[in-house]
Amino acid sequence: QVQLVQSGAEVKKPGASVKVSCKASGYTFTGYYMHWVRQAPGQGLEWMGWINPNSGGTNYAQKFQGRVTMTRDTSISTAYMELSRLRSDDTAVYYCAREDYDILTGYSLDYWGQGTLVTVSS
Amino acid sequence: QSVLTQPPSASGTPGQRVTISCSGSSSNIGSNTVNWYQQLPGTAPKLLIYSNNQRPSGVPDRFSGSKSGTSASLAISGLQSEDEADYYCAAWDDSLNALIFGGGTKLTVL
Repeated sequence: QVQLVQSGAEVKKPGASVKVSCKASGYTFTGYYMHWVRQAPGQGLEWMGWINPNSGGTNYAQKFQGRVTMTRDTSISTAYMELSRLRSDDTAVYYCAREDYDILTGYSLDYWGQGTLVTVSS
Repeated sequence: QSVLTQPPSASGTPGQRVTISCSGSSSNIGSNTVNWYQQLPGTAPKLLIYSNNQRPSGVPDRFSGSKSGTSASLAISGLQSEDEADYYCAAWDDSLNALIFGGGTKLTVL
């Protein structure tokens, strides 16, 4: 069965960086794009971008351009999201989610990781 | 302010039918498919409806989706207490080149 298992909670100081991992199993890792979505406390879902695990190509939301880097290690079926120059308003749960794409039915995020809480506090 | 507009809250009693709307524009809902996600308290979102009106396996047929023009709706019939959750619509936006979510609707089962 498809599983996305994320790394554990992090506490960071303002200005630092955080790197969250997402280990995939139960499917061919390079066959599906991986998205990252975050959710601030009590707030809605916010898309950050995607990575193509096959090519390493990325597409970042404009809001995070210059601060986010998405990478992958195909040898261990793991995707990473690194966010730099952290601010207090980056405190959120960060999710990875697999994209399922079909030419007829379009895009959907069909499997999600359990989430990683990143707390930014001095 | 989300690009996709949802009512912040909705409610119903057990057995009732409720609908949740999602309003967008020509660059998102008007030209791409809409997905709906259910987020139970303290858990990760779960895909509920994809491609406007398709249910993934395991999702009860009490849940249905529709789309018309630049708006979409999620309907839940035979409301149950376990349906109490946050519901988000989502669609790709061609102008922003980004995946966008609605602000979410908190459903309360009275």
